[in-house]
Amino acid sequence: AQSVTQLGSHVSVSEGALVLLRCNYSSSVPPYLFWYVQYPNQGLQLLLKYTSAATLVKGINGFEAEFKKSETSFHLTKPSAHMSDAAEYFCAVSTYIPTFGRGTSLIVHP
Amino acid sequence: DVKVTQSSRYLVKRTGEKVFLECVQDMDHENMFWYRQDPGLGLRLIYFSYDVKMKEKGDIPEGYSVSREKKERFSLILESASTNQTSMYLCASSLGQGKMTNTGELFFGEGSRLTVL
Repeated sequence: AQSVTQLGSHVSVSEGALVLLRCNYSSSVPPYLFWYVQYPNQGLQLLLKYTSAATLVKGINGFEAEFKKSETSFHLTKPSAHMSDAAEYFCAVSTYIPTFGRGTSLIVHP
Repeated sequence: DVKVTQSSRYLVKRTGEKVFLECVQDMDHENMFWYRQDPGLGLRLIYFSYDVKMKEKGDIPEGYSVSREKKERFSLILESASTNQTSMYLCASSLGQGKMTNTGELFFGEGSRLTVL
């Protein structure tokens, strides 16, 4: 069995501030982990994925995530938020069937 | 450029109507999925298919059925629409790695927003 928990349904930051979106997972086998982004009225698109090659994964638009097995976490970060980062972010775990978290809405204030 | 196309972006139907949501992918992917997205609940899997004419139930299959007659097309069917099926429906596909593995990236369509009155 596998599951994903995203802490915080909404995260609000100022433009230029650090972005931290939290994701914890559970999986009975070594997982593949993903972060997806959804802009308004669009489908989801891949930000980055962890496939066991390296614990620090770099994605598009300056985002990165670190896989920490001991904490069963895969938090998403970006050093400096931009207004265009405002969107819904989903963490997902996949071995057989992909399972998504409930999503975190990122709000960026000017 | 890879593409997953959902036939209707917005639909309005009446209670009891039969509803077809169509999804086509041009990437020759083996796996295709239908998810339902509701605020605060994230994405919930309705059905997925790992090959032509093959399907498996997801977490919330009740009230839905699917059809996959060709590799590129995966249809979601609401036999008798109800108001609690008002939602955003997302189709996705991924490269197959065998029935028991699905570790690749999902490619999503833009979604079909269904309102049932």
